Amino acid sequence: EAQVTQNPRYLITVTGKKLTVTCSQNMNHEYMSWYRQDPGLGLRQIYYSMNVEVTDKGDVPEGYKVSRKEKRNFPLILESPSPNQTSLYFCASSFWGAEQYFGPGTRLTVT
Amino acid sequence: GQQVMQIPQYQHVQEGEDFTTYCNSSTTLSNIQWYKQRPGGHPVFLIQLVKSGEVKKQKRLTFQFGEAKKNSSLHITATQTTDVGTYFCAVFKKTSYDKVIFGPGTSLSVIP
Repeated sequence: EAQVTQNPRYLITVTGKKLTVTCSQNMNHEYMSWYRQDPGLGLRQIYYSMNVEVTDKGDVPEGYKVSRKEKRNFPLILESPSPNQTSLYFCASSFWGAEQYFGPGTRLTVT
Repeated sequence: GQQVMQIPQYQHVQEGEDFTTYCNSSTTLSNIQWYKQRPGGHPVFLIQLVKSGEVKKQKRLTFQFGEAKKNSSLHITATQTTDVGTYFCAVFKKTSYDKVIFGPGTSLSVIP
């Protein structure tokens, strides 16, 4: 089954404790992306990757890191999470310029 | 920078009424995508429009791309409770290999 998976689905952590949210897709898509969704602000792109080893900043990259060492995986790293990073995070993948497939989301709470 | 606006922000309709949401960009677009997100769910792709003036239909949903490629609309005829959710438009900043900007969404409630 074609899908985008994210782990964990829910995470509660404390300020400053490094965390990684994993994202994996099985559709051989070149383009992968991370979004955060906050009430009233819609979906905002954090980082995107056009292919292996090629990443670029979206609209809200501050406080986040990504890597794309393999085509299927695109982890999101928060080196020192802060409460303003409490949000709902979505990973997505697609062929260039085509429909994006979204993962189920990761709800992160930073206290 | 490029801005993408959607109106209305919220819409409450009686079941059976029609619904329209509009997406407007400050710049000319190469293409536009529409997504639907059910409450508690993730965004799901509905359609992509590429050509100026393009109109596409999916059952009760009609999508239109403006002649100037700066705006788009999604119209639902005779809404049903299954149409409940938030509808987003999404555009690529420059090219298909680039940053994606989502509109803030229109939240649709359908009163049975």
